[in-house]
Amino acid sequence: DAGVTQSPTHLIKTRGQQVTLRCSPKSGHDTVSWYQQALGQGPQFIFQYYEEEERQRGNFPDRFSGHQFPNYSSELNVNALLLGDSALYLCASSLVEYSGANVLTFGAGSRLTVL
Amino acid sequence: QKEVEQDPGPLSVPEGAIVSLNCTYSNSAFQYFMWYRQYSRKGPELLMYTYSSGNKEDGRFTAQVDKSSKYISLFIRDSQPSDSATYLCAMTSSASKIIFGSGTRLSIRP
Repeated sequence: DAGVTQSPTHLIKTRGQQVTLRCSPKSGHDTVSWYQQALGQGPQFIFQYYEEEERQRGNFPDRFSGHQFPNYSSELNVNALLLGDSALYLCASSLVEYSGANVLTFGAGSRLTVL
Repeated sequence: QKEVEQDPGPLSVPEGAIVSLNCTYSNSAFQYFMWYRQYSRKGPELLMYTYSSGNKEDGRFTAQVDKSSKYISLFIRDSQPSDSATYLCAMTSSASKIIFGSGTRLSIRP
């Protein structure tokens, strides 16, 4: 049973460029959350998607946008990249019907470097 | 002030020692408390999950939650070199966004 898969694993961009990161959730999961993890920091919540809609959003600017597809996979788009966007971007999936907290299953992440 | 505070470490202990990791938080609405373990170049993996106050034990791991003090702990008994990782506390109020601590880097010396 495949867990959460993310692509690409590493990428380098320059300031001002745009990037798209992709995520396939764990089989049976219907909710996808995206987190940004800067070096030496804990993951910071970006947003969560369920039924192809953004359910919740963290304190991130509109340059960060996302999408969820009918097969539950998701994309994270970041426009006008800044040096401070360099981080590990984590995708996590969960099952919305799970009682209590959405216990997250994380992928290995996409490491973005902005030069 | 951050909603969740966690000592970043690093923490280095000899193999076999008991490890204590802690977090404090400010939001009294938090009801669900988790500990994730993150190995280098990997995503976090769920280690322990606790609802409300109390203790939960799973093998060598024990999670404690004291809501009155807004304080949670993770204890690791008989620590092994394979326990060397970053430990992240996390919490949430319900089916809401999960807030993570900054992580504690733990190293177990053989």
